[in-house]
Amino acid sequence: DAKTTQPPSMDCAEGRAANLPCNHSTISGNEYVYWYRQIHSQGPQYIIHGLKNNETNEMASLIITEDRKSSTLILPHATLRDTAVYYCIVRVSNSGYALNFGKGTSLLVTP
Amino acid sequence: DADVTQTPRNRITKTGKRIMLECSQTKGHDRMYWYRQDPGLGLRLIYYSFDVKDINKGEISDGYSVSRQAQAKFSLSLESAIPNQTALYFCATSDLTGAGYTFGSGTRLTVV
Repeated sequence: DAKTTQPPSMDCAEGRAANLPCNHSTISGNEYVYWYRQIHSQGPQYIIHGLKNNETNEMASLIITEDRKSSTLILPHATLRDTAVYYCIVRVSNSGYALNFGKGTSLLVTP
Repeated sequence: DADVTQTPRNRITKTGKRIMLECSQTKGHDRMYWYRQDPGLGLRLIYYSFDVKDINKGEISDGYSVSRQAQAKFSLSLESAIPNQTALYFCATSDLTGAGYTFGSGTRLTVV
């Protein structure tokens, strides 16, 4: 699986958009970008994933650059409950390998 | 009931004791995992199982063993607990894709 690089921490004001970057410059053509988050000592929770195109669901949007070497997870209107560690993971969809969570980005949403 | 249930939720044990952490799931998935998390760090994979007859070591399997008793049950054992195994342990299950992971609520283990 390709390696990912994320900033260790970020802040965001409540109600504003939170943009979390992820660098995956060695991504292969058949590898997807997955985002999970972990809210204080709970088990990680799936957010969104994509291959090439931008994706949106009820939780977030995922913007993947055209060369696929980086991506951004967008929480459009961050709330205090979005304070969590966000993990960007790259993997072939059905590769059979376990997810490698890395250290992620700790997002703090402030009032 | 939760999709993935871990027991116990919290446990304090003494150095040298054998301890078992249990995990059961109702998702019907074949794949199950045990992860460990230390403060300020991401999750690290201990063991994983793709079906009842398939057990694989993860990144940090030394000092641990597992048993897949049934499709729905996957237990983690510490044969002789040591203090640096104090951590938060998560069990997870998944389908074939990377989007299908479901985690339990975790077991907080303290070895004194």
